[in-house]
Amino acid sequence: EAGVAQSPRYKIIEKRQSVAFWCNPISGHATLYWYQQILGQGPKLLIQFQNNGVVDDSQLPKDRFSAERLKGVDSTLKIQPAKLEDSAVYLCASIPGQGRLSYGYTFGSGTRLTVV
Amino acid sequence: GENVEQHPSTLSVQEGDSAVIKCTYSDSASNYFPWYKQELGKGPQLIIDIRSNVGEKKDQRIAVTLNKTAKHFSLHITETQPEDSAVYFCAASGPDTGRRALTFGSGTRLQVQP
Repeated sequence: EAGVAQSPRYKIIEKRQSVAFWCNPISGHATLYWYQQILGQGPKLLIQFQNNGVVDDSQLPKDRFSAERLKGVDSTLKIQPAKLEDSAVYLCASIPGQGRLSYGYTFGSGTRLTVV
Repeated sequence: GENVEQHPSTLSVQEGDSAVIKCTYSDSASNYFPWYKQELGKGPQLIIDIRSNVGEKKDQRIAVTLNKTAKHFSLHITETQPEDSAVYFCAASGPDTGRRALTFGSGTRLQVQP
């Protein structure tokens, strides 16, 4: 099966500019996650979707970050305006959906953002 | 919320030796503990996981042990090879990652010297 697709792979922007990242999860996967991974650290959850609804966005800096998954398939994460500390790899992951067991994620390759 | 601590941050071993990475977690409700391997420029890849109803799980050269009483779990890699060099992350969640997302440790950079 095809994996989780993310684009672009790399992005360099100046601070205060805006940027958007795209993710297409594995076909049929209802649950989608966006994680932020700062260099040298573990991934940190930004937002979790179940179909097109938000399950958890408690750690999303909502003054500058937004995300949507309008049709319950692909998703877009936006930053506006960007700050230097937003420089990180943005990872998208998906699992089949909610259930009685926990599943390991399938991650995409990520988008590396550099804010200068 | 959940907090996962991981040690050591870096680990260097000779090819053929064993490597052990340890993690502790804070939330006693967690019952799912996966381990991921991340190579340069790639997303993390699941290598093994364990659920709280078992204490140990093995897959070829990789094993994971879990001590729920002490709230810690460990990754053991035997007969290490240069291709095992990567960053390894532990994580915790449960009972359903569809409802509560994984919390990751800070990572361990493993270097296997040929």
